[in-house]
Amino acid sequence: GAVVSQHPSWVICKSGTSVKIECRSLDFQATTMFWYRQFPKQSLMLMATSNEGSKATYEQGVEKDKFLINHASLTLSTLTVTSAHPEDSSFYICGGGDRALVRPDSSYGYTFGSGTRLTVV
Amino acid sequence: EDQVTQSPEALRLQEGESSSLNCSYTVSGLRGLFWYRQDPGKGPEFLFTLYSAGEEKEKERLKATLTKKESFLHITAPKPEDSATYLCAVTHYNQGGKLIFGQGTELSVKP
Repeated sequence: GAVVSQHPSWVICKSGTSVKIECRSLDFQATTMFWYRQFPKQSLMLMATSNEGSKATYEQGVEKDKFLINHASLTLSTLTVTSAHPEDSSFYICGGGDRALVRPDSSYGYTFGSGTRLTVV
Repeated sequence: EDQVTQSPEALRLQEGESSSLNCSYTVSGLRGLFWYRQDPGKGPEFLFTLYSAGEEKEKERLKATLTKKESFLHITAPKPEDSATYLCAVTHYNQGGKLIFGQGTELSVKP
């Protein structure tokens, strides 16, 4: 089945530094990529959606200059947290798929990575 | 505004005790409703996609149904390994097809 490989699985960084999280889709092309953050005991909060050939669409309240998203190819998307601060510590999850395959005659679903635990000290 | 609300927040069952999880949604132009399972510290694992009212999908002990306002995830004779958080999400035709999740139901099945 479809797999999204997300790296690193965990990272600790110093306040003020930048961290890059990478997601690769294996065996399929992700024309749509989602980036979420999740706090303990809470659900996934959408940060941004990127579609092939267009810039990422950020959700209200998400700083696009702080959370840089690059959907470099149909198999690679990256999230860079710039000038990280302790309040950016969270669990970040990427998910991808082909939006065109989400249709009534299919059982298609988006595939998610295993997540990245970011701790900023 | 699009909304996805799941209930209950937590559910404790004895092994073999069947039950249902609810997902109510308000979204314009529903493209699909998804059910995922999430284990602690992991990403969501895809279970089902539903598209139209009356549709049903089954997988092992799980069955998902959809109406115009809500979806149910029925769990028949659950086992301890079914313990996880179950997430409901919707996507629609507008706004780039973004995927919005509910807050989840944390299921615990005791032997």
